[in-house]
Amino acid sequence: ETGVTQTPRHLVMGMTNKKSLKCEQHLGHNAMYWYKQSAKKPLELMFVYSLEERVENNSVPSRFSPECPNSSHLFLHLHTLQPEDSALYLCASSQDRKDGYTFGSGTRLTVV
Amino acid sequence: QQQVKQSPQSLIVQKGGISIINCAYENTAFDYFPWYQQFPGKGPALLIAIRPDVSEKKEGRFTISFNKSAKQFSLHIMDSQPGDSATYFCAASGYGGSQGNLIFGKGTKLSVKP
Repeated sequence: ETGVTQTPRHLVMGMTNKKSLKCEQHLGHNAMYWYKQSAKKPLELMFVYSLEERVENNSVPSRFSPECPNSSHLFLHLHTLQPEDSALYLCASSQDRKDGYTFGSGTRLTVV
Repeated sequence: QQQVKQSPQSLIVQKGGISIINCAYENTAFDYFPWYQQFPGKGPALLIAIRPDVSEKKEGRFTISFNKSAKQFSLHIMDSQPGDSATYFCAASGYGGSQGNLIFGKGTKLSVKP
């Protein structure tokens, strides 16, 4: 595996469900990010982790809970989501929070 | 101050033509300006990037022009091909804290007609 891998690619969940999105990077980067991409706001930064510590939470509702157990893995735990949370969730990584980000292919989330 | 404004929202170009997408920023602390290309069902991929110490960078058919005084930068795609049809995002970032995060424009959907 190379680059940034996200699983699952597609997810349909009910408003009362709990699910998790997984991201793994094979690039040796030390920063990881969650972005939300929807038609209304194309690329919205949600969370930033640098050296496994959360350095930024961009006013994201508490129903989204990130976890970064090590520099290669990033999770987004989801619970009691709303239909407006339906979007493409993208994970990215970079070296030293600078320069180019490498994105995964995303998880297409549908909340019903 | 943190915004990056991108135009146009959509662009239709004939095969072989030149595609031009423009971006403007306000934060003078920004010092890194990449362009990303995104195909349907895929994440954005880094296409080309520039820093303010040069006014132009070319990679193959893709060129970034940078105007520091006007706080504007643009992407030119020469000899546009149907395979270039995608959504293009400009972005900007700077040193330290929140400025280390990439701020993206709203995207331009490019269609290249055969």
